[in-house]
Amino acid sequence: NAGVTQTPKFQVLKTGQSMTLQCAQDMNHNSMYWYRQDPGMGLRLIYYSASEGTTDKGEVPNGYNVSRLNKREFSLRLESAAPSQTSVYFCASRSAMYNEQFFGPGTRLTVL
Amino acid sequence: SQQGEEDPQALSIQEGENATMNCSYKTSINNLQWYRQNSGRGLVHLILIRSNEREKHSGRLRVTLDTSKKSSSLLITASRAADTASYFCAANAGGTSYGKLTFGQGTILTVHP
Repeated sequence: NAGVTQTPKFQVLKTGQSMTLQCAQDMNHNSMYWYRQDPGMGLRLIYYSASEGTTDKGEVPNGYNVSRLNKREFSLRLESAAPSQTSVYFCASRSAMYNEQFFGPGTRLTVL
Repeated sequence: SQQGEEDPQALSIQEGENATMNCSYKTSINNLQWYRQNSGRGLVHLILIRSNEREKHSGRLRVTLDTSKKSSSLLITASRAADTASYFCAANAGGTSYGKLTFGQGTILTVHP
């Protein structure tokens, strides 16, 4: 059981470039989430997917898109990266039975 | 906007002492959760307390919840150097929130050996 995996671990982009952050979970969870974490701050929700086939905006969705490819995978896309999107991105999935969220190790993104 | 605010922002103690972190939130909740984050890592779930509970224990952790004051506290007893980490509270509004969590800014705990 790998839990929640994220790729890549690190990425450097130039302003205007695009990229997709990948996330997969092997716990058969229905709900998945994307957060960003900036220095000295807690996590802020970007998008979430309550179940396969559905996605919804969180607190800070501007500049991002998501795809819930199947039950396992939930990707986050930056179409035109901006320096303000420099952050650490975490994917999580939720156990409906116990309500806790399981987090991946994060992707550290720098936009120059 | 952040649902939770945590106090203190940083806490430095000696091994063996107790550490208390406080969290306040703004709206009604279904449950409140505490997470731990070691430097450079993802968050790990510690404990969940439901809105109809007032206190919960798990090992050296004790969580209290006061819904009238919209506040919670996390107590770590007999702290160890390995407890050094950032601790976050996260509020779940329940209902149709689909498990969404709103996190506080966190408390950085340093335990000196």
